[in-house]
Parts: sequence; C-alpha cells; structure tokens
Amino acid sequence: GAGVSQSPSNKVTEKGKDVELRCDPISGHTALYWYRQSLGQGLEFLIYFQGNSAPDKSGLPSDRFSAERTGGSVSTLTIQRTQQEDSAVYLCASTKGGDTQYFGPGTRLTVL
Amino acid sequence: AQSVAQPEDQVNVAEGNPLTVKCTYSVSGNPYLFWYVQYPNRGLQFLLKYITGDNLVKGSYGFEAEFNKSQTSFHLKKPSALVSDSALYFCAVRDSAGGYQKVTFGTGTKLQVIP
Repeated sequence: GAGVSQSPSNKVTEKGKDVELRCDPISGHTALYWYRQSLGQGLEFLIYFQGNSAPDKSGLPSDRFSAERTGGSVSTLTIQRTQQEDSAVYLCASTKGGDTQYFGPGTRLTVL
Repeated sequence: AQSVAQPEDQVNVAEGNPLTVKCTYSVSGNPYLFWYVQYPNRGLQFLLKYITGDNLVKGSYGFEAEFNKSQTSFHLKKPSALVSDSALYFCAVRDSAGGYQKVTFGTGTKLQVIP
C-alpha cells in the first residue's frame, strides 16, 4: 500500500555533472507526471507519461533534460550537464484515471 | 490549451474568520478541477475535486469549493480558518475531453492565518 516514492530525497551535485532522479509510482497507476518547484514558486510541468509513452514533453526546459519510463512503472528523469538554475525540488505524481494525482515527497536538487 | 489563474500570491486571514482562495480556469471542454495543499516542508496533498454533479464540493479539513461554470471559477472556502490551515494552496484543471490527461496547476496562493 505504498505511495509514490522518489529517490534520492536530496542530491547535491557540482555544475556540469549529470544526475538521475527516480520515481516509483503507485502500483497500477498508468499516468505519471514530473514537475519542478523552485523555492517559493508554483509547480512547473515538465513531462507526462501515459504508460511508457510521453505524449507531452513540452515542459522540458532544454535538451539537457530527458525522461523515460519502463514497464509502465518506474520513471527516471535525467539532467545532463547540470546548471545552477536547475536547483529545485523535483516532484513526481501518479494517477490511475487522470483524476486525483498522488505526489511523492520530491527530490531536492542543489547544483553548486 | 488549458490554463489556471490564482490571482492572489498571498491571502491573510484572522483565525476564526472565513477564508476564500480564488481560482479561475480555462479549458475547451468540460473541466475537472482540483485543489491541493502543501504544508511547510511536506509534499502536496489532495484536498478536493469537482468532476461532475453538485457545484458545491466538500473536501478534507473542512474545506469546500464551488464550481461556477458561468464565471469559470472554482474558489476554495472554509467557514472558520485555523492557524494550522496556513500553507500553500494550488488549484489545478484538466480537460475532460479526450484521453490526454495533462493537469495544469496554478502558481499557488500562500494562505497565512493570523492568530
């Protein structure tokens, strides 16, 4: 009966390094979303998965950002050559029928 | 395209007074509307939703919201505010048409309940 989990909970990296953020959605949830929340800011949509496909990647800020989802379950958000402006909390959410979203605790990324 | 507007960055209300957090939306079809709350240093939690049926929706912690189609609004309300209601509130919308399930969030409204 676990909820959405995300790992790591905190990540500190140096500018220019690559990072991978992981999201484990609730079992059986077909849709998965990635958002970014900067300090004191709202939610910025990044990408949405329906099953393993991503019908909407419009929110990815640049080609340094990519995401994949395998087996209709776990998703990984990868940021290449991180920049200081990438520092934020990255949130993942899943939903079964496009209805209520269940959010994970987030990954706090700090780029030094 | 769908969008959500939360016109107030912050709302201050005295404890015990009624509170309203405003939200307006735009979708091409019929809306699914949601309110989420984010307490300090905690994740986002679902509060309530409107899918169909009664325009007045009741949710967690004594909150309610009224769907007004003519005004395209979905304001969050509570009759008597508690200090513990202080948090960041997000309105969200999804177009019910088609199979695309993207949900658009507003920018959030910080609610400060003053003792």
